[in-house]
Parts: sequence; C-alpha cells; structure tokens
Amino acid sequence: AQTVTQSQPEMSVQEAETVTLSCTYDTSENNYYLFWYKQPPSRQMILVIRQEAYKQQNATENRFSVNFQKAAKSFSLKISDSQLGDTAMYFCAFMKPNFQGAQKLVFGQGTRLTINP
Amino acid sequence: DTGVSQDPRHKITKRGQNVTFRCDPISEHNRLYWYRQTLGQGPEFLTYFQNEAQLEKSRLLSDRFSAERPKGSFSTLEIQRTEQGDSAMYLCASSLEWGRDNEQFFGPGTRLTVL
Repeated sequence: AQTVTQSQPEMSVQEAETVTLSCTYDTSENNYYLFWYKQPPSRQMILVIRQEAYKQQNATENRFSVNFQKAAKSFSLKISDSQLGDTAMYFCAFMKPNFQGAQKLVFGQGTRLTINP
Repeated sequence: DTGVSQDPRHKITKRGQNVTFRCDPISEHNRLYWYRQTLGQGPEFLTYFQNEAQLEKSRLLSDRFSAERPKGSFSTLEIQRTEQGDSAMYLCASSLEWGRDNEQFFGPGTRLTVL
C-alpha cells in the first residue's frame, strides 16, 4: 500500500517570503500522479498543482512549483512571494491510475501554513 | 454554482442514531468518491463509484456504513448506530473517469458531531 508522509505539521513565514513544504511517499509503482491540495480555513479543498511521475520536468503554476525527485520519492512544494491568502492546510496526495482510470487519493497528514503580515 | 455540493454542512446527533449525508457531484463527472477527515489529519478514502457501481470500499467502511449512487448522479452515505468515533468531516469528490490529469474536485464537506 502506498503511504504519504508530511513531516512538517506547521510552518509560518512572513508575507512575500518563499516557503517550501516537504512530502515523501512510498510506492513500488512506476506510473502515478502526485498532487498538492490546499484547504483554507472552513473552506473546501482545491487543487494547487499536479505532477505526473513519468514527466521529468517539474510542474509550475504561477507562484507554485514543485521539486519532484522520483528516485528519492520526494515531492516538495515551493510557494514564492507568499500572500496572506496562502494561509491554509496543505495536503500532499498520491494516486495510481489503472485500466479503469482515476483512482482514490492517498493523502499525507497535512502541513498547516500561516502567512503573517 | 456548478461545483460539488454536500448536504447538510453540519450534523449533530446522539450516539446510536442513524444519519444520512448527500453529495451532488459535478454533472458530467461519472466518478464519485467519499473520504473521511478527522481533526488535524488528512482525508482517508472510504469508497468510490463509477456511475451507479460501487467499485471499491475501504476497510474503514464498517458494516454500519453504506453508500449508494442509485441513478449515477447524487450519492448518499448512511451511518447507522453512530458512535463518538464517527465524529469527523465527510468529504465528497468527483472526477471524470479519464479526466485531465485525473483531478478530483471536492465539496465543502459535512461535519458530523456525535454526542
């Protein structure tokens, strides 16, 4: 079974700083997807960024980028120029699609990120 | 609003009572997932449907839990004889079977408190 580990329960940075959230995972699969989801306080979870395991290039979405190290099974999220609206719980998630298509997500424990003014 | 919706948003019940939650997915999505999230933890998978067929159930889903998606549209999750350990946020998500990068879209959740 796949497992996802986020070793930083909480992080706090000043507005405009850069912050990196860590995630490691364990799998014997070769083809899979990795995701970072954001869950703001009392609001629903939204996708921040996704990475396909077979793609060498790290995914980027505006201020959000990942450092995907497949051999090390590491998938960190970097937030540049952090904003107050980035305050949220961040979850790393793993998914292995099969011949039936999309499958369940396996989530890490989450990192609570606070951006201070 | 064309996102995933869940009803009710909050439910308080007494131990031993039955509760039922509803999830309405994004209309063109044929996959529907249920997750449970306890305080301070990441969501844990419970079950998922493709159209009306329940394709997988987690071992977390005890005999007191049952989920249905009778017409392949909305889904219900019922918990019978609730226990205090059932207190959690119940999240619903939907996706296409073969969507862009397999993204799941989440609803706002139903927060259950069992007294």
